Amino acid sequence: AQSVAQPEDQVNVAEGNPLTVKCTYSVSGNPYLFWYVQYPNRGLQFLLKYITGDNLVKGSYGFEAEFNKSQTSFHLKKPSALVSDSALYFCAVRDDLYNNNDMRFGAGTRLTVKP
Amino acid sequence: EPEVTQTPSHQVTQMGQEVILRCVPISNHLYFYWYRQILGQKVEFLVSFYNNEISEKSEIFDDQFSVERPDGSNFTLKIRSTKLEDSAMYFCASSTSGLSTQYFGPGTRLLVL
Repeated sequence: AQSVAQPEDQVNVAEGNPLTVKCTYSVSGNPYLFWYVQYPNRGLQFLLKYITGDNLVKGSYGFEAEFNKSQTSFHLKKPSALVSDSALYFCAVRDDLYNNNDMRFGAGTRLTVKP
Repeated sequence: EPEVTQTPSHQVTQMGQEVILRCVPISNHLYFYWYRQILGQKVEFLVSFYNNEISEKSEIFDDQFSVERPDGSNFTLKIRSTKLEDSAMYFCASSTSGLSTQYFGPGTRLLVL
């Protein structure tokens, strides 16, 4: 079955600095990759996705992610972090091989941006 | 912008009681899902629903759980006899197709005492 790993529980960056939140995945077929963000006491908000095409995907709030097939990674990036970006970020994957609806989430990475 | 809504936002129940969590998916979406997130843990897939039947379910989704689309707008998750370990945030999601982006509701926080 498909799986995703977020190796960092916590990422701390200073406001204005670039940020990276890491994600690696495992699938049998081709991956459908997603990033979601969760603010305190809120639901999951969709940020961006990779299905096919350009490896660099741009999403909401200035975030982008780069699909790297050889490294099976889909790291989330932003050139200049804002304090308001502080939240819990989840990477998720679906496997096109089985055409299933089961989306597997990583454990989440808590991003803290300090002023 | 259309969004998924869920009611109630919080529910407290006694162990052994039945609970029904309600969701209104985005109106033109055809696929519906339930996920749960135990406090401090990852989001876990429970079930997907399409064309008035379950299309997939995880090992978590045992006989205590059921889903229903009783009318054209609501999508419900029923837990027949709640256990302490059912305490979690339950998220509903919907999508236009089986592999398209899933949009999540704000969640229902269930506490079983």
